[in-house]
Amino acid sequence: DAKTTQPPSMDCAEGRAANLPCNHSTISGNEYVYWYRQIHSQGPQYIIHGLKNNETNEMASLIITEDRKSSTLILPHATLRDTAVYYCIVRAPFGNEKLTFGTGTRLTIIP
Amino acid sequence: DVKVTQSSRYLVKRTGEKVFLECVQDMDHENMFWYRQDPGLGLRLIYFSYDVKMKEKGDIPEGYSVSREKKERFSLILESASTNQTSMYLCASHSPYIGELFFGEGSRLTVL
Repeated sequence: DAKTTQPPSMDCAEGRAANLPCNHSTISGNEYVYWYRQIHSQGPQYIIHGLKNNETNEMASLIITEDRKSSTLILPHATLRDTAVYYCIVRAPFGNEKLTFGTGTRLTIIP
Repeated sequence: DVKVTQSSRYLVKRTGEKVFLECVQDMDHENMFWYRQDPGLGLRLIYFSYDVKMKEKGDIPEGYSVSREKKERFSLILESASTNQTSMYLCASHSPYIGELFFGEGSRLTVL
């Protein structure tokens, strides 16, 4: 079973910030939060990951709550190309564990 | 550029046929995974492997087997394909020492 829960779908206006939540209330102390997105008919692609501090890269920002039980992926200026399914997963940094995904959030950017 | 390559993007097979889906990665990753993706069900893990000749069942292994004879290659086998195995199959790999998961482009299998 997936260790994360996400809303099934969200809409966001083009040019606005898209905020995608993820609940991971059973996360362990050494587990990272990873975000991926899947554009139609392609394999999922990595976006960002973090442990407990907020992270930012050229694609997105990741905000993790202080208790680490939830996080938010932020796409600061959403474009039509950001329409995709977004997956949040948790995993430990070392070891050989199975990586399970949930159903993700289908984000639709509205022109 | 890192790459996970799946042998076929589209396949059409008949019920009862034996089907091989091949996946090759060029990143020297120890861990490799096979997922299937169906509408409304997200990505579900079929099998994974953390070393050559090692395999572990995922969440939905029934009806599938895998083979990992070389580090770079992970094959998914449908011994006797059935219509309920019509799906998109995704292969992925990563190093266990942190780092992201890299996915292939997927293989869309239709079983008639």
